[in-house]
Amino acid sequence: DTGVSQDPRHKITKRGQNVTFRCDPISEHNRLYWYRQTLGQGPEFLTYFQNEAQLEKSRLLSDRFSAERPKGSFSTLEIQRTEQGDSAMYLCAGGGRGVYEQYFGPGTRLTVT
Amino acid sequence: KNEVEQSPQNLTAQEGEFITINCSYSVGISALHWLQQHPGGGIVSLFMLSSGKKKHGRLIATINIQEKHSSLHITASHPRDSAVYICAVGGSRLTFGEGTQLTVNP
Repeated sequence: DTGVSQDPRHKITKRGQNVTFRCDPISEHNRLYWYRQTLGQGPEFLTYFQNEAQLEKSRLLSDRFSAERPKGSFSTLEIQRTEQGDSAMYLCAGGGRGVYEQYFGPGTRLTVT
Repeated sequence: KNEVEQSPQNLTAQEGEFITINCSYSVGISALHWLQQHPGGGIVSLFMLSSGKKKHGRLIATINIQEKHSSLHITASHPRDSAVYICAVGGSRLTFGEGTQLTVNP
């Protein structure tokens, strides 16, 4: 158990709806990462926080996507006006003392119908 | 060409066999990770290494920085080792390979 939790674990939504996912790392994780994994592929980087500051965003993160980490603890990832291509596993990882260590949560599987 | 390439893509073995999964990368890295992903999606970090060799139980990971290559070995494989094994490289942000689907038959 990495201590990183994600909610919900599964989400089914209709195209055009908004969805929000939450990630709760452990308190020692001052770094937090979001990744997206489509079926049969390896994960792809979406964005990265150091405490509450969003330091890097991938070009994959279109303007329909927004991520926040308001108090440097939990983080949310919102997708507006979902499209079928957004169907994927959304993974969150926390990073702590070891500068390159990352501890993954169980993921949120999104299905857009 | 992907920045991180794994081989083989799929691997089927008999219980007890010695298994090797390879990872080659073309970018500069600070660390290389080997990850395990079971059906259902959860990812477990197996190793993080930046040089040399690490061993944990039946798993061994090696890296050759000059050749930009890493291998993950599983000794005395077991059906519970069946999973997708993913190589990832980078510093703060990771670039992932597409994974190797390992099936170990009893």
